[in-house]
Amino acid sequence: DAGVTQSPTHLIKTRGQQVTLRCSPKSGHDTVSWYQQALGQGPQFIFQYYEEEERQRGNFPDRFSGHQFPNYSSELNVNALLLGDSALYLCASSDSGSSYEQYFGPGTRLTVT
Amino acid sequence: AQSVTQLGSHVSVSEGALVLLRCNYSSSVPPYLFWYVQYPNQGLQLLLKYTSAATLVKGINGFEAEFKKSETSFHLTKPSAHMSDAAEYFCAVSDAGSARQLTFGSGTQLTVLP
Repeated sequence: DAGVTQSPTHLIKTRGQQVTLRCSPKSGHDTVSWYQQALGQGPQFIFQYYEEEERQRGNFPDRFSGHQFPNYSSELNVNALLLGDSALYLCASSDSGSSYEQYFGPGTRLTVT
Repeated sequence: AQSVTQLGSHVSVSEGALVLLRCNYSSSVPPYLFWYVQYPNQGLQLLLKYTSAATLVKGINGFEAEFKKSETSFHLTKPSAHMSDAAEYFCAVSDAGSARQLTFGSGTQLTVLP
């Protein structure tokens, strides 16, 4: 049973560029959440997707957007990258019909130069 | 609004000693509480969760935590530390809302000394 997978593993971008990160949820899960983890800090909630719609959003600017596909996989897009966007981006999946457990992927390390 | 405070950004224990990582939460509604562990360059792994059942929760790798409403605490313990326990530990809180977003503390780095 494959867990949560994310791609790419690492990414280097330049300020002002745009980036797309991808996530495939754990088998049987229909909900995907994205978190940003800056160096030395705890993860911060960006947004959550359920039934292909954004269900809840954290305190992040509109430069951060997402999408969920019919197969429940998800993308996180960040436009006009800033140096401060450098972080580990974590995807977590869960089953809306059962427990509150969220299963995390290994993350994508984004470096903005 | 919910929040989590983890007391002690770095904790060092000797191998075989008791591990105690502290977590206090703030929530206006009955909380669900979690402890996650993160090894270097990896994602988060769930250690244990409290979802309003038994207040003493047992998790993986010999860890357990006790929910104390009066103290708004959810401290993580392990009777005997092992070298493999060295990692970063995060306490998190969510509510019963449909989104169940997690609010994390800033983490505690556990070092296990030989």
